[in-house]
Amino acid sequence: AQSVSQHNHHVILSEAASLELGCNYSYGGTVNLFWYVQYPGQHLQLLLKYFSGDPLVKGIKGFEAEFIKSKFSFNLRKPSVQWSDTAEYFCAVNSPSGGYQKVTFGIGTKLQVIP
Amino acid sequence: DGGITQSPKYLFRKEGQNVTLSCEQNLNHDAMYWYRQDPGQGLRLIYYSQIVNDFQKGDIAEGYSVSREKKESFPLTVTSAQKNPTAFYLCASSIGLAQHFGDGTRLSIL
Repeated sequence: AQSVSQHNHHVILSEAASLELGCNYSYGGTVNLFWYVQYPGQHLQLLLKYFSGDPLVKGIKGFEAEFIKSKFSFNLRKPSVQWSDTAEYFCAVNSPSGGYQKVTFGIGTKLQVIP
Repeated sequence: DGGITQSPKYLFRKEGQNVTLSCEQNLNHDAMYWYRQDPGQGLRLIYYSQIVNDFQKGDIAEGYSVSREKKESFPLTVTSAQKNPTAFYLCASSIGLAQHFGDGTRLSIL
């Protein structure tokens, strides 16, 4: 069964600090990878996704993520965080399962940015 | 505007009672999903449906049931067999692989 691990459950940063949130998955076949974000009081929304091609993908609001197949990783990065980035971030993996596409989410990382 | 509507926003269940959470989408998406979100556990998949009249159990389907009679609707019933139903429930839909989420329903036990 596929699984997703997010290493940092709660991260506190000052504004302008750099961010890297770890995400590792376990699945030997072809996967599609996602980062979702949930801002306070809002619904989950897609931040960025990787399907194929360039392993460095760019998303909204200056976020990017790098897919490293050999490490089964898809870490999220941002060079300089802002207070408005305070949110919960979820890594997700989509892979075939018995003829269906199954999505598995990590447990999430709460990011708090201090002004 | 297209989107996913979950209702009610808050729901209370008495012991031994079944309750149904509504999820409607006007995005014309084929696939729909139900997740349960608990603090420190992220989102766990309850059921998913790729097409009308077909659905599959997710990782924590016990105590839940669904139906998919129409493309736009995917209601979730929390039965009395679910012993720990207090949680935040999220419905999602997709036409490709990226999912669109509703605002959720918070279920509590009286």
